[in-house]
Amino acid sequence: AQTVTQSQPEMSVQEAETVTLSCTYDTSESDYYLFWYKQPPSRQMILVIRQEAYKQQNATENRFSVNFQKAAKSFSLKISDSQLGDAAMYFCAYRSAHYQGGSEKLVFGKGTKLTVNP
Amino acid sequence: DGGITQSPKYLFRKEGQNVTLSCEQNLNHDAMYWYRQDPGQGLRLIYYSQIVNDFQKGDIAEGYSVSREKKESFPLTVTSAQKNPTAFYLCASNGQGVEKLFFGSGTQLSVL
Repeated sequence: AQTVTQSQPEMSVQEAETVTLSCTYDTSESDYYLFWYKQPPSRQMILVIRQEAYKQQNATENRFSVNFQKAAKSFSLKISDSQLGDAAMYFCAYRSAHYQGGSEKLVFGKGTKLTVNP
Repeated sequence: DGGITQSPKYLFRKEGQNVTLSCEQNLNHDAMYWYRQDPGQGLRLIYYSQIVNDFQKGDIAEGYSVSREKKESFPLTVTSAQKNPTAFYLCASNGQGVEKLFFGSGTQLSVL
């Protein structure tokens, strides 16, 4: 079974600075998707960024980018120019690319709580 | 607007009582999911359904039951067999070929 590990329960960053959240995963599959979800105090889950494993190019969405290292099974999230609104729980998630009766389900890490200091 | 609606936002359960959490979507998605969130535990899958009248157990199905009689609806019942039901429950859905999960706003269940 696939597992996702977020080794940093909490992180903090100064406003306007850059922070990197770590995520590693374990899988024997070659095709899959990786996601970062943000959960602000409202508890609504918001998709931040996604990465297809077959793509070598790292995904980018405005101030958010990932460092995807397939061989190392690492998928870190970099937030540039941090803003107060970035404060939230961040979850890394894995999904198989193969339809095998339920493989569309996401496997989540335990999350990293990000604090942004003014 | 299309989306997922969960109700109620807050729910309280008495000892020995079954309670049902509602999840409705108007996104025409085939697949629906229930996740449980505990502090420090991330999200864990309870049940999922990929088609009407069919569903499968997730990682922590014990003490829960579901039904999928309509494509739009996937209610979750927390039974009296679930001894530690206090948690935040999230419903999600996605369409075939769509990798992104859409989430509802959640239900906080507490025990009186």
